[in-house]
Amino acid sequence: QTVVTQEPSLTVSPGGTVTLTCASSTGAVTSGHYPNWFQQKPGQAPKALIYSTSNKHSWTPARFSGSLLGGKAALTLSGVQPEDEAEYYCLLYYDVPQPWVFGTGTKVTVL
Amino acid sequence: EMQLVESGGGLVQPGGSLRLSCAVSGFTFSDYYMTWVRQAPGKGLEWVANISPDGSAQSYVDSVKGRFTIFRDNAKNTLYMQMNSLRAEDTAMYYCARDRDWNYDYWGQGTLVTVST
Repeated sequence: QTVVTQEPSLTVSPGGTVTLTCASSTGAVTSGHYPNWFQQKPGQAPKALIYSTSNKHSWTPARFSGSLLGGKAALTLSGVQPEDEAEYYCLLYYDVPQPWVFGTGTKVTVL
Repeated sequence: EMQLVESGGGLVQPGGSLRLSCAVSGFTFSDYYMTWVRQAPGKGLEWVANISPDGSAQSYVDSVKGRFTIFRDNAKNTLYMQMNSLRAEDTAMYYCARDRDWNYDYWGQGTLVTVST
């Protein structure tokens, strides 16, 4: 069973920078895993931020960026705002038998 | 405007059945893979199942294989999931989402399924 692991929690100061990572139990994460990133605030549905490693949606703030870093997918928040406090999930593609697996999630606190 | 609206959740006893629906508008439904994702109370997101644009191919997470069936009616712009033999561990908010070429862009607001006596 494939496991996708994220940091359980991270704390960042307003205006600071934080990088979240997404690791696969099967080995290095590559562009072929088509990493997606989502933000979820309490009581709300997930909101898409990044797809295919680094592509932003039209609604994604410029301070969010995606990349591959040291064999993992990464989401960097630069110039963090108080409203960025949320849970963040990655999603990786594995083809067969189960095409997609979510990461364990990272709670980002802005303090 | 893209809209995905889930319905059909509710309280059901263990061993019971429910059918979830996801009505979509604002895009050509029959062009896209569609997916169900769930989230148990206080837990993370779990990918559950997806279906190809023409409905001919489906994939499932192991924990629901043989119990859940994803299907779609392209004429009605609606995605479904038939859930049988429900267990307490199926209790969750269920979301539908559009998959545009490995890009999960639009999501519904979810429908809550509670499996309990």
